[in-house]
This record gives sequence, C-alpha cells and structure tokens, in this order.
Amino acid sequence: RKEVEQDPGPFNVPEGATVAFNCTYSNSASQSFFWYRQDCRKEPKLLMSVYSSGNEDGRFTAQLNRASQYISLLIRDSKLSDSATYLCVVNWMDSSYKLIFGSGTRLLVRP
Amino acid sequence: DADVTQTPRNRITKTGKRIMLECSQTKGHDRMYWYRQDPGLGLRLIYYSFDVKDINKGEISDGYSVSRQAQAKFSLSLESAIPNQTALYFCATSQSTDTQYFGPGTRLTVL
Repeated sequence: RKEVEQDPGPFNVPEGATVAFNCTYSNSASQSFFWYRQDCRKEPKLLMSVYSSGNEDGRFTAQLNRASQYISLLIRDSKLSDSATYLCVVNWMDSSYKLIFGSGTRLLVRP
Repeated sequence: DADVTQTPRNRITKTGKRIMLECSQTKGHDRMYWYRQDPGLGLRLIYYSFDVKDINKGEISDGYSVSRQAQAKFSLSLESAIPNQTALYFCATSQSTDTQYFGPGTRLTVL
C-alpha cells in the first residue's frame, strides 16, 4: 500500500460545481495533514491544514477521519482558477521527521 | 522578492557532468529540504537539514549530495549526472511547524 494515495483524476467539472477529493494514508501515527495546490510546472503552495474537527476556508472545506485514515477536500462553487493539481500531504511519525506527499489529484474546471 | 529562490531555473547537461543546484531563503527558517518531482510519482524527499551542518538522507539520496554551510543556503549536487535524474527539483523550508514553503523549482534535463 502506498503511504499516501490519491485518485489522480482528472476531475472535469463545470464552473459552479461542487467537487470532492479523498486521500488515504497508511501511517496511523500521523499527526499533521495538509492540502497543497500545485499549478502546472509551478511550486506547491499550502492551501490549508486539516484539523481533527474539520475546517473551512471560504469555498474550501477539509475533513479528517482518523478511524478510516482518510482526508477529504471539498470545493464549492468551483472557479476556473481552481484548475490545478491538489496534493494530499501527511507527516510521517518515525525517528526521522518528514512529510509524505501524495501524487496529486488533477482538477479541470470548464466554463 | 521571493522568500525561497532556486538557481538555475532550467539546466540541460550531459551524462557524467557534475551539477550543483542552489537554494537560498530569506524566511529565517532552520529546516531546509530538497525534493524531486517526476510525473505520476509526486514529490520525493532527497535530503533534508534541520540546522547548519546537519544533513539527513531522505528516501532517494543515492547519486546526490548536499551542503548546508549557512542557515539561508542549501545546495544539492549531482556528482555524475545520469539521464534518470532528469526531473523537476524543489527546495523547501520550514520552521517549527510542519508547513513547508517551496522555491520555484529547477527543471533539470540530463542527456
């Protein structure tokens, strides 16, 4: 099993649609979770952290389910500018601290 | 001005050549990282450093070396480049929180 797994997509949705991505992780000891956004050929940028109680930032909502070891990202009222690849990121709790990045889910928002 | 810079931004080289990629940051962060990104594989950690002179291997350190002579600078070297090291390379920094901030990337092609 991959350490962090995501559906690569692409998810092709019309403007205004609601779209959700899931991500699963294998290390039950992980404590920190993030969604990063990456535009084509650009650097990843933090979109939002994911907290145990769930959190919202404008049109974006992140949820964490520790029992099932998955994280979700919900985007409401999709904009053309939301087109990007969304990376699920999990910290890896072992003797050497590091973050593990999923390979990303690609979102295409069409007019 | 960008907080995390990388030079060069693009490089084409030949098999067997020695290459150095530079990363500088003005964020004052202690932790710095080097990743490579290949299509469909996501970001993979090459090396990381938590302080000056502190060096730790990531998951794919073979064929690479790094140097952290100053807090603000972290360089990555390919002693003898090979074609499968063709990739997009990112430097990142973080402080005590897990959030990492990425440079713009270096696109390396080894012929």
